[in-house]
Amino acid sequence: KTQVEQSPQSLVVRQGENCVLQCNYSVTPDNHLRWFKQDTGKGLVSLTVLVDQKDKTSNGRYSATLDKDAKHSTLHITATLLDDTATYICVVGDRGSALGRLHFGAGTQLIVIP
Amino acid sequence: EAAVTQSPRNKVTVTGGNVTLSCRQTNSHNYMYWYRQDTGHGLRLIHYSYGAGNLQIGDVPDGYKATRTTQEDFFLLLELASPSQTSLYFCASSDRQTEVFFGKGTRLTVV
Repeated sequence: KTQVEQSPQSLVVRQGENCVLQCNYSVTPDNHLRWFKQDTGKGLVSLTVLVDQKDKTSNGRYSATLDKDAKHSTLHITATLLDDTATYICVVGDRGSALGRLHFGAGTQLIVIP
Repeated sequence: EAAVTQSPRNKVTVTGGNVTLSCRQTNSHNYMYWYRQDTGHGLRLIHYSYGAGNLQIGDVPDGYKATRTTQEDFFLLLELASPSQTSLYFCASSDRQTEVFFGKGTRLTVV
C-alpha cells in the first residue's frame, strides 16, 4: 500500500504564478520529511527538510510546511520560473538513523509555461 | 562536497543479458542503497548495505544481486536481465537519514 500520496499528479502554471504541492502520508513513525526536485531523467536535488512536529522552512522561492499530527506537508513555490519545470518528490523518513527506511511519493510533475 | 558517482549513465542490453551497475561514494558513509524509479511509482529500494561485505534485502529484490566490495563501492548485478527491469536506477549513500546523497542515475533499457 502506498504510504506517501502526492497531489496533484501534475500541474501546469504560467511563469510568475505561485503554486502549492501537497503530500499526505501514513508512515509511522515519521522522523522527518524532505522535498526533492528532479529534472526529467536526472538525479534528486534536496530542496528542504522538515523535522519538527509543526515545522516551516524557507529556501528562496521555496517554502514548506509540515504538520505531523495531520501527517501532511505542503511545498509552496512563488513566482515560478521556466526552470522550475520538474518533478517534485516528497520523502518521509521513519528514523533518524540510516537503519530506517525512506518512503517515497510518486511525485508531482510541474510544468511552467511562458 | 558529498559525491555519489554512478556508471554507466546509460545502458542497453538484451533480454537474458548480464549487467553490472556501479556506484562509488566518497563521503565515508557506511550505508549505501540501490533504488529503482518507474513512472507512477516512488523510488523503490532494491538492496542496501551497511559496510563492506554486508548486504541487506530491500523491498523489490527479485532478479537482482548486489555486492559491497569496499566502503566506497556498491554494485548491482542483473544476471538474466528482463524487460521488466527497464528502469532508472539510483544509488545513494548516508550515515543518517537526514543526510542522504543520491547519484545522478543510470538508465537501463532491456530489449
